[in-house]
Amino acid sequence: GAGVSQSPSNKVTEKGKDVELRCDPISGHTALYWYRQRLGQGLEFLIYFQGNSAPDKSGLPSDRFSAERTGESVSTLTIQRTQQEDSAVYLCASSFTSGGNTGELFFGEGSRLTVL
Amino acid sequence: KNQVEQSPQSLIILEGKNCTLQCNYTVSPFSNLRWYKQDTGRGPVSLTIMTFSENTKSNGRYTATLDADTKQSSLHITASQLSDSASYICVVTIMNYGGSQGNLIFGKGTKLSVKP
Repeated sequence: GAGVSQSPSNKVTEKGKDVELRCDPISGHTALYWYRQRLGQGLEFLIYFQGNSAPDKSGLPSDRFSAERTGESVSTLTIQRTQQEDSAVYLCASSFTSGGNTGELFFGEGSRLTVL
Repeated sequence: KNQVEQSPQSLIILEGKNCTLQCNYTVSPFSNLRWYKQDTGRGPVSLTIMTFSENTKSNGRYTATLDADTKQSSLHITASQLSDSASYICVVTIMNYGGSQGNLIFGKGTKLSVKP
């Protein structure tokens, strides 16, 4: 597609439910990132995928959070047993990495999650 | 510790006025520095990239500077417009960092409000 696509754009769920957020990166981009942004705050790193290498999961806040990416395609971020503090906008970005150099990040519009 | 600090945290200016946003970093080894603009409710978009050898670069009314010796960058906005109201995020790329967090260190952003 023309840009990074995220779905759903808005999700309201009840505390304790599981949610799955989807990111469709720009075709050919080898790197994919997930960030969390709470209201009025900066971007908080969650997880980074680079090609077929093992992902960097160092930013995941708890074991309720997990993410998958198959090859260089779609990624899903799953939050199990959601809590109210999980309410935030979840942003996905992709980039083309060459020779170890990280290119410009192209962000999706985000998935706004509200946990009641 | 690799860090990116931005100032001010927030700024209010009148339409037509100029302003300068600051970014100080303690990232090493340095690869490049990008400024992103994030409109409310949208994903960030890249404004400009500064590499080690570049001192200044312009993109329309936006001019970025880089002093690699003092590890400081600034983003100057000339003749501000209401549409400049956004958060401006400074992102530094670390060279050969082993892929952690995608080699990216984010500042928390400066929230700019341009009033009529």
